[in-house]
Amino acid sequence: AQKVTQAQTEISVVEKEDVTLDCVYETRDTTYYLFWYKQPPSGELVFLIRRNSFDEQNEISGRYSWNFQKSTSSFNFTITASQVVDSAVYFCALSRLNNAGNMLTFGGGTRLMVKP
Amino acid sequence: EPEVTQTPSHQVTQMGQEVILRCVPISNHLYFYWYRQILGQKVEFLVSFYNNEISEKSEIFDDQFSVERPDGSNFTLKIRSTKLEDSAMYFCASKAQLQETQYFGPGTRLLVL
Repeated sequence: AQKVTQAQTEISVVEKEDVTLDCVYETRDTTYYLFWYKQPPSGELVFLIRRNSFDEQNEISGRYSWNFQKSTSSFNFTITASQVVDSAVYFCALSRLNNAGNMLTFGGGTRLMVKP
Repeated sequence: EPEVTQTPSHQVTQMGQEVILRCVPISNHLYFYWYRQILGQKVEFLVSFYNNEISEKSEIFDDQFSVERPDGSNFTLKIRSTKLEDSAMYFCASKAQLQETQYFGPGTRLLVL
């Protein structure tokens, strides 16, 4: 069975601070995908980033960066120079690679509040 | 940019009534999904659908639930006899062939009274 744990339920920062959201996962699969989704107060789920299990290169995309470490089963997400519009619930998710359609297993979410 | 759309945005129903939630996936996508999110909780997988049949379903997706692709564009979730605990936000998602990312619709907030 797959499991995703986001230990931080709420984080509060002041605008322009950097913030890192933690994600730890469990899976028996050797090949899988990891995702971060954002859920703003309006409620929709917005795809942010995806990482394949066979590619541990960490990347930066604008103010977003991620740190994937297979050895510790972690997929942490960092927002640099946070803005008030970043306030949302962030979900880490895991999918396995199979023919059945790649269902997503979500973590419990981290509510990020960015104060001006 | 193509988007997944869902209707209605909100639905209020009485316990025991049938509801149908509608989704229009992104047009060239072939994999379709329903998820639900009880208020304040995590997003939970319900069912995946490919090639006109269910490919995977969770324990939540019991006999009260069914899915259908009645035409070339819509994807529906039916709850036959709603219960209070079915109150949640229901998200539809779709995915293209050979791609990994699921794109979500804005959700339908269902309230069962």
